[in-house]
Amino acid sequence: NAGVTQTPKFRILKIGQSMTLQCTQDMNHNYMYWYRQDPGMGLKLIYYSVGAGITDKGEVPNGYNVSRSTTEDFPLRLELAAPSQTSVYFCASSYTSNEQFFGPGTRLTVL
Amino acid sequence: DQQVKQNSPSLSVQEGRISILNCDYTNSMFDYFLWYKKYPAEGPTFLISISSIKDKNEDGRFTVFLNKSAKHLSLHIVPSQPGDSAVYFCAASWIYNQGGKLIFGQGTELSVKP
Repeated sequence: NAGVTQTPKFRILKIGQSMTLQCTQDMNHNYMYWYRQDPGMGLKLIYYSVGAGITDKGEVPNGYNVSRSTTEDFPLRLELAAPSQTSVYFCASSYTSNEQFFGPGTRLTVL
Repeated sequence: DQQVKQNSPSLSVQEGRISILNCDYTNSMFDYFLWYKKYPAEGPTFLISISSIKDKNEDGRFTVFLNKSAKHLSLHIVPSQPGDSAVYFCAASWIYNQGGKLIFGQGTELSVKP
């Protein structure tokens, strides 16, 4: 099992550009999540999904969109990148609830 | 509004001694708590958890204590090893939590010196 994989590992965007952060899990987990971590801060939930076709907002959803067309994939879309979106992004998945398995993260810089 | 707080950004201990990491929460609905460990350039990994029906859970060198009346939990690492040096996050969840969402604290960076 590869677990949770994320691509890319690093990315630099210009203000106003868009991009998609990819997340895939091979554990057949129903629940998937996107977090961002800013320096000195904990992880903030952006969006989550309880199954294919179902997504919902977390604490900090503004500026992001998600989709969940399959159990395995949960991409995060940034439409108009802003410097405030400079952060490390983590994708996670879980079978039922509580214990989540995290990917290695994507470090995004918006200049 | 920070519902889960880790008030110590960093902690330094000597190898072989005890490390105690603290976490406070404000929401009385939280009934399940987890600790995650994070190394640089990696994602967090689950370490240990505790349900609100218990006040202690132990797994090898790691023990988590829960004081519900004080809304406080702590992670004890005994004995501490240099490989324990990492950032530790406390997280909380609650029953009827759609989607199994977790609320994380800010993290405490532990440094274990040889």
